[in-house]
Parts: sequence; C-alpha cells; structure tokens
Amino acid sequence: EVQLVESGGGLVQPGGSLRLSCAASGFTFSSYWMSWVRQAPGKGLEWVANIKQDGSEKYYVDSVKGRFTISRDNAKNSLYLQMNSLRAEDTAVYYCARDYPGPIAVAGALDYWGQGTLVTVSS
Amino acid sequence: SSELTQDPAVSVALGQTVRITCQGDSLRSYYASWYQQKPGQAPVLVIYGKNNRPSGIPDRFSGSSSGNTASLTITGAQAEDEADYYCNSRDSSGNQWVFGGGTKLTVL
Repeated sequence: EVQLVESGGGLVQPGGSLRLSCAASGFTFSSYWMSWVRQAPGKGLEWVANIKQDGSEKYYVDSVKGRFTISRDNAKNSLYLQMNSLRAEDTAVYYCARDYPGPIAVAGALDYWGQGTLVTVSS
Repeated sequence: SSELTQDPAVSVALGQTVRITCQGDSLRSYYASWYQQKPGQAPVLVIYGKNNRPSGIPDRFSGSSSGNTASLTITGAQAEDEADYYCNSRDSSGNQWVFGGGTKLTVL
C-alpha cells in the first residue's frame, strides 16, 4: 500500500524557517518524481515544487523561488521542503504527492497524496 | 506558467448527471487530471489521462476533453459525491503542474 506521511509543520514567525519531511513507503520511491502541493485555509490547491527521481531537476512556483528548496533522500525514502523567509501568505496545509507519469507522457497525474501538515506563519 | 479556469460552484439533483469543466491553454497539449476533496481530507485522484479511473473510483466518474476544455462527468450523482473538484495538468513547459481554482459540487 502506498503511503505518504508528512511531518514538520507548525507555527513560525514571519521571516523564519521550517523544514517539512515526507516519508514514503509501499512503492519504489527512487523511481518517481515527487511534488509538494499546498492549500491555504479555505482556498484551492497550489502546486509548489517538484523534483526528479535522482534530484537533478527541480522546479518551483514563482512565489517560492529563492525561498524554498525541495530535496530528497532516496536511501531514506524521504522527500523534504526547506522553507526560508516565510511569509504570512505561506500559511497552508502542505501535501506531498507522487508524480505518476501516466500511460503516455501527456497523461500524468498526482496519484497519491499524504494527509498534509499545517504550516502557520504568524507573529 | 499556465492557468486553468473552473466554475466556482455547480449543483446537481440526486441521481442526475453533472459536468464540471476546466479550461486552459495547456489542455491543448496535456490531458487534465481530476481530484475530489472532501472537507478536512486530502485530495483523491478520480480521473487521469484520456479517461482513466484509478482503482476504487466508481465508474459513474468519467473524463473527456476537446480543444482547451476538459470535463469531468458524474453520471447518477450520489450524496457522497458532494465535494470540491480540482483539475490540473502540466503547464506549457511540461515540467510543472498547474491547478484550476476548484469547483464546489452540491448534490441536492
């Protein structure tokens, strides 16, 4: 059974830092791209970042570029999101999700999601 | 980056058919996938690709696309289908994801 379990959320002051973790099990972690997706309270889903299987490619939504860093440790089956210079608008539930490539290249999806971890940025 | 546009809210009578749409330029190159999210829960993938359902998703859920518009159809909506539905696809670069704003489905 595929499982993704996020941790590391909490209350942090503006300008502070936080590191989120996602522990993966039930599949060959090193074979998949992985993503972080967030959802501000009462708002929709926003893709944040993703990372290639070997960590050689990383992409970010414009609003977090230069502040957030996605990384992974395939030996530990773990995905991370280092968040620096946090702002109030970063307050959200953060989900990790598996990038499923799909039956063909144009038919991918985020097929498994964790339960999320809440990050609150407030003084 | 790309944008995907969804109607904020749609309603359907119990047992009737409802279509939820998603528009965006990236849909001319990539299929949309669809996610169901109930309050306090993580999103669940319900449709991906041309019209593929993950294991455990009822066959009343189906997907289609034409041009820059993708659609999620629920045939014979049930009370448990009341939820927020989000579309997403790769963006024009093919490296990133973009989500629609979500559609709140009410089953009357």
